[in-house]
Amino acid sequence: ETGVTQTPRHLVMGMTNKKSLKCEQHLGHNAMYWYKQSAKKPLELMFVYSLEERVENNSVPSRFSPECPNSSHLFLHLHTLQPEDSALYLCASSPTPGVNTEAFFGQGTRLTVV
Amino acid sequence: AQSVTQPDIHITVSEGASLELRCNYSYGATPYLFWYVQSPGQGLQLLLKYFSGDTLVQGIKGFEAEFKRSQSSFNLRKPSVHWSDAAEYFCAVGAFSGGFKTIFGAGTRLFVKA
Repeated sequence: ETGVTQTPRHLVMGMTNKKSLKCEQHLGHNAMYWYKQSAKKPLELMFVYSLEERVENNSVPSRFSPECPNSSHLFLHLHTLQPEDSALYLCASSPTPGVNTEAFFGQGTRLTVV
Repeated sequence: AQSVTQPDIHITVSEGASLELRCNYSYGATPYLFWYVQSPGQGLQLLLKYFSGDTLVQGIKGFEAEFKRSQSSFNLRKPSVHWSDAAEYFCAVGAFSGGFKTIFGAGTRLFVKA
């Protein structure tokens, strides 16, 4: 149990569907992140939230829409995805968003776009 | 630009043998360095981190890493590998460049043979 929980663990969706990924952390952290992990590619940082405010958006397509209603919850809303968006989506949290802080990861959501 | 290189895509070692996973980074200032491990179907877990001070860092599960500024390296080592160490290992650097970024290497997959 890492303290960061992601649901669902697996998701298959069509290109016209709308779905959401959920992340919850029970560690009292102030920063939360979404990462994309594709096969044979480095982990890609998508979004960073600090105290519910988005502080980083790494040129992610608008078909990915994050939401952070409070410091414990993070969502990634998905719509009109493409097959190349199939990947493992990892949520992480850290005490602060600084460069010297360890990140705690959830187990990820395996997304398949058909 | 900041980058992290893990030259070995995969490595196979015998159980009980020693292990060294290579990591080279590119960053203009003093880096914050991390090693994470990812078991199949799991998120990433921190093994160890280097911020400053002693260049030989001890981590969990018997791992250690040595920071060598002159070589821009942060190699991970373990004197005796166990079958449960089979996983993917990621080196990462924390950097500040117009915002907080943690840059991950592409990972090294470790296979352990009996």
